[in-house]
Amino acid sequence: QPVLTQPPSASASLGDSVTLTCTLSSGHGSYKVDWYQQKPGKGPRFVMRVGTGGIVGSKGDGIPDRFSVLGSGLNRYLTINNIQEEDESDYHCGADHGSGSNFFWVFGGGTKLTVL
Amino acid sequence: QVQLHESGPGLVKPSETLSLICAVSGYYISSGYYWSWIRQPPGKGLEWIGSIYHSGNTYYNPSLKSRVSISVDTSKNQISMRLNSVTAADTAIYYCARSHYYYDSSGYYYPYHFDYWGQGTLVTVSS
Repeated sequence: QPVLTQPPSASASLGDSVTLTCTLSSGHGSYKVDWYQQKPGKGPRFVMRVGTGGIVGSKGDGIPDRFSVLGSGLNRYLTINNIQEEDESDYHCGADHGSGSNFFWVFGGGTKLTVL
Repeated sequence: QVQLHESGPGLVKPSETLSLICAVSGYYISSGYYWSWIRQPPGKGLEWIGSIYHSGNTYYNPSLKSRVSISVDTSKNQISMRLNSVTAADTAIYYCARSHYYYDSSGYYYPYHFDYWGQGTLVTVSS
C-alpha cells in the first residue's frame, strides 16, 4: 500500500510563494493525490486532485487561482502564489489504493503552513 | 447547500461501542454519491474509516474492518457508524464527508474527492 509523506511544517511570508510536497512511497508513482486545506476547528476542504499530468478534474469550490498543482515522479506538489493570511492552514494529501474489496484510502500526516 | 452534521456521545468507555450519526441536509442521500467517515486524532493527520453508497456498497479501512460498521438510512437521510471495542487510540475528531466516485474497468465504483465535510465531533475514549 502507498505511504504518503509530508513535511510537518512550512512557512512563507505574506505575498511570497510556497510549494508543499506530498511524496508517495516507491512503486506508486502513477497515483493521483487529493489535496485538502484545513483551518483550525473546521473540517477539511477539497483543494484539487493531481496526477503526473497535473490537475485532475476541477478545483474545489472557491479555491483561488493562486493555488496550483504539479506531479513529478513520486512527488505531488501544491503551490500557493501571493500568499495571504487566510492561507494559513493545515494541508493534507490523500490517495486511494487497491481494487474490488481491497480498496481503501490513505492520508499523509499533514503540513502546517504558517504565514509570516 | 449540502450540509453534514455529526452527532454522538463525547465520551465513551474503553471496550464499549462508539455510535455516531451524520445527518445530511440539502441533498438526498438516495440520489447518489458515496458517504464517508474520516477521523483525526488530536494534533495528528486524517485517517479514512470507510465509505458507503446509498445502495449499501461499503469499503472499510483494513486496519478497522473487524470493528467498524457503516450504514445508511435513506428515510432519515443520515449515515451511521459503529466502532466496537474502543480504546484510547480511537480518541479523535470524527468527520463525515460526501464523496464523488469513479468506475474501474470491472465495473466497481470507488469514492474519491471528498467535497463536503461536517464540522466534526470529538470523541474521547476514557474510563
